[in-house]
Amino acid sequence: DQQVKQNSPSLSVQEGRISILNCDYTNSMFDYFLWYKKYPAEGPTFLISISSIKDKNEDGRFTVFLNKSAKHLSLHIVPSQPGDSAVYFCAASGGGGSNYKLTFGKGTLLTVNP
Amino acid sequence: GAGVSQSPRYKVAKRGQDVALRCDPISGHVSLFWYQQALGQGPEFLTYFQNEAQLDKSGLPSDRFFAERPEGSVSTLKIQRTQQEDSAVYLCASSPSREDTQYFGPGTRLTVL
Repeated sequence: DQQVKQNSPSLSVQEGRISILNCDYTNSMFDYFLWYKKYPAEGPTFLISISSIKDKNEDGRFTVFLNKSAKHLSLHIVPSQPGDSAVYFCAASGGGGSNYKLTFGKGTLLTVNP
Repeated sequence: GAGVSQSPRYKVAKRGQDVALRCDPISGHVSLFWYQQALGQGPEFLTYFQNEAQLDKSGLPSDRFFAERPEGSVSTLKIQRTQQEDSAVYLCASSPSREDTQYFGPGTRLTVL
């Protein structure tokens, strides 16, 4: 049973527009959420994170929104650039003493067209 | 500075062979993690070390999987008697402490024929 779900396997947007990647989770013990970006043949690279005590975190073009009641988070990229084309993984941690253990979604392939 | 490195980058093994995958974490990072990423899936947690101590091995899929980090730096993931279902990318990550951001290596792609 997947505890972190990314229901869109792929997303295509035009350069300069907004990209919105979504993620849902089922485990109410999760209290820390992260987004990783992955290029082919490379490992995941940390992008941005958010703690459950916040509902928004912003870093440059990247903003993550958290809706705890809906168990939903989203990553907004504005404006999107061709170099943003990659697989984006949503990850979560928390609960008991295993807050180091990341649970990942399956990823969403973002393609930004010039 | 240097990131997490893993070797080999690619490994092909015949079913039944033993393999050893190496991870060099970022210097000074106390925590080290191994994840397995099957095709089309996200990474899945295998095991966690704090220095040389293996504090969590709950994600290891079977007793054919064994990990060590004897001096608290380099780690090796060993898979004995490989099976086709072991084919995956094995990712290593390290962090300054267990609750800090995890930095991933490029992974080792294991293919078992």
